[in-house]
Amino acid sequence: KAGVTQTPRYLIKTRGQQVTLSCSPISGHRSVSWYQQTPGQGLQFLFEYFSETQRNKGNFPGRFSGRQFSNSRSEMNVSTLELGDSALYLCASSLLSGGGPEQFFGPGTRLTVL
Amino acid sequence: GNSVTQMEGPVTLSEEAFLTINCTYTATGYPSLFWYVQYPGEGLQLLLKATKADDKGSNKGFEATYRKETTSFHLEKGSVQVSDSAVYFCALRPDSNYQLIWGAGTKLIIKP
Repeated sequence: KAGVTQTPRYLIKTRGQQVTLSCSPISGHRSVSWYQQTPGQGLQFLFEYFSETQRNKGNFPGRFSGRQFSNSRSEMNVSTLELGDSALYLCASSLLSGGGPEQFFGPGTRLTVL
Repeated sequence: GNSVTQMEGPVTLSEEAFLTINCTYTATGYPSLFWYVQYPGEGLQLLLKATKADDKGSNKGFEATYRKETTSFHLEKGSVQVSDSAVYFCALRPDSNYQLIWGAGTKLIIKP
């Protein structure tokens, strides 16, 4: 069974631009969660989508948004990029809503904002 | 509220040393507890888990026991290898909802 895939693996953008990241979950998984990982703040939950609906949301500004398609693939968008958005963005898929019973992570997308 | 506290890193050990990474939690109800590992340049992988008090999770020589009386889930390994160098995350899933609550992570460095 193929694992969680994320594209692209690396991105370099400049302040003010926008970016779209993609995540393909494990086949059969309907839940996709997104996380931001930085050295200073650690692992922070962004949001979760289940069956094309946002089910949970973390404490991030509205510049961070996402969506999920009928095939469970998910995209995350960040608009008006700031230097502080530089991070590793991880997505995780699971069978059930809320990440249960187990989350499987992709390798992440490394975003650098200059 | 729910929270997870891990010992600060980095933790530096010599090969074949005994490892303990402390994890304590605050939660209402009966959470499930997890240890995830992140190797350099990779995403997180589930290492082990325990779903009820006194359960012991184990995998790849690592163990952790769910201690409700001390609200702890410490990770242990009897003899570490250089390949165990990674960042280890403790997490809990609260009884009332399923979203994982994460610790800050502990970087482990094993020297040959």
